[in-house]
Amino acid sequence: DAKTTQPNSMESNEEEPVHLPCNHSTISGTDYIHWYRQLPSQGPEYVIHGLTSNVNNRMASLAIAEDRKSSTLILHRATLRDAAVYYCILRDPTPGSGSARQLTFGSGTQLTVLP
Amino acid sequence: ETGVTQSPTHLIKTRGQQVTLRCSSQSGHNTVSWYQQALGQGPQFIFQYYREEENGRGNFPPRFSGLQFPNYSSELNVNALELDDSALYLCASSWQGLAGTDTQYFGPGTRLTVL
Repeated sequence: DAKTTQPNSMESNEEEPVHLPCNHSTISGTDYIHWYRQLPSQGPEYVIHGLTSNVNNRMASLAIAEDRKSSTLILHRATLRDAAVYYCILRDPTPGSGSARQLTFGSGTQLTVLP
Repeated sequence: ETGVTQSPTHLIKTRGQQVTLRCSSQSGHNTVSWYQQALGQGPQFIFQYYREEENGRGNFPPRFSGLQFPNYSSELNVNALELDDSALYLCASSWQGLAGTDTQYFGPGTRLTVL
C-alpha cells in the first residue's frame, strides 16, 4: 500500500485557517485521498476525500497537488473543537483491492488550537 | 438515524482470559470493520465482515475472531489475552457496494485493559 507522511504535530490560533499537509509520493493513479480525524476520547470521523480535483464540504477543503504527490487539508477557521489527530489515508477503490476494504492509519498530525 | 454503538465502554481482564466486545452498526450498513488502537498510535485494521462473511483481515493472529449477525451487529472475540492486547478497540460500519471505497462510521470504542 502506498504510504503517507504527515507532521507529528501542528499548532493554530483559534479562528485562523489551518493547512495540514500530507505527502504521498508513491500514490497510484487509482488511489483516493481520504482524511479522517479523531477527537479526544472518540472514534475517528470522516472529514473529506478526493481524487484529482480540489474538494470542499461543510467541514473542510482538500487541495490536491497537480502531480498528486501531496495534498493539504484546509480548515478555514479553526475552533477549539477542531483540536484532534488528523489522518491522511490512501484508498484504492478497485474491486478486490485490499485497501478498498480497510483504512490504513499512520500516526497522523496532532492539531492543537490555541484560544 | 442511530450511530454506531459499542459495549462495554471499559473492560478489565487478566492474561489468558477470553473477551467478547460488541458493536451495533449504523442502520442500513452491511459492513463492519474492527480496529485496534494502542495508546499514542493510529488504529490498526483487524478484520472486516461483509454480509456475515469475513471480507479481509489485517496482521492479527487467529485468536482474534469475529462474527457479524443478520441484523449487522457484530462481535469481536479475543482468546488467550496477552498484556499487549490492552488497547482501544474500535468498530466501524459502512455500506459497501460492488466497488468503490466506503465511508466508515466509527463507534466510541471499548477500552480493554489486560492485567
